Amino acid sequence: KAGVTQTPRYLIKTRGQQVTLSCSPISGHRSVSWYQQTPGQGLQFLFEYFSETQRNKGNFPGRFSGRQFSNSRSEMNVSTLELGDSALYLCASSSGTGKEAFFGQGTRLTVV
Amino acid sequence: GESVGLHLPTLSVQEGDNSIINCAYSNSASDYFIWYKQESGKGPQFIIDIRSNMDKRQGQRVTVLLNKTVKHLSLQIAATQPGDSAVYFCAESGAGGTSYGKLTFGQGTILTVHP
Repeated sequence: KAGVTQTPRYLIKTRGQQVTLSCSPISGHRSVSWYQQTPGQGLQFLFEYFSETQRNKGNFPGRFSGRQFSNSRSEMNVSTLELGDSALYLCASSSGTGKEAFFGQGTRLTVV
Repeated sequence: GESVGLHLPTLSVQEGDNSIINCAYSNSASDYFIWYKQESGKGPQFIIDIRSNMDKRQGQRVTVLLNKTVKHLSLQIAATQPGDSAVYFCAESGAGGTSYGKLTFGQGTILTVHP
């Protein structure tokens, strides 16, 4: 069974640009959640998509957005990048009904 | 401005010892608690979970204990091995209906196992 796949693994962007990250969940999983991990703030929840609908949302500005497709693959977008957006972005895949969540390896975003 | 990083608790043990990692959680309504292990350069890896209606659950070499009275969670690792060296996170979710997809993580504990 294939795991959670995140692409790309590494990204370098300039302030003011926008970026799109992709996450392919485990086959059959309908929930995809996104997290930001930084040394200063730890692991913080961004949002969760379940069956193409945003079901939960964290406390991030509107520059952070996401979507989920009918095949459960999800993308997150960050517009008008700031230096503070530099982080490891992780997605987690689960059934969405209380079973364990499996994480991808993450996308390391560096904003310069 | 200068950012202040998280100062993660650390635990150093000798190979073969038992390790206990502790976590205080915040939401008494949380229904589901999970322990994750994160190695350098990798995403968090699921270790074991426990529901709020349980106080103990055992896996292979690991045991999770839940004390809802004081909102405390612990992970016990038996016969710790160098491969167990990693950052360990507790997480909680399920505080109401559709919240299972939202995990709230603790700050993490760095476990170092010396051969």
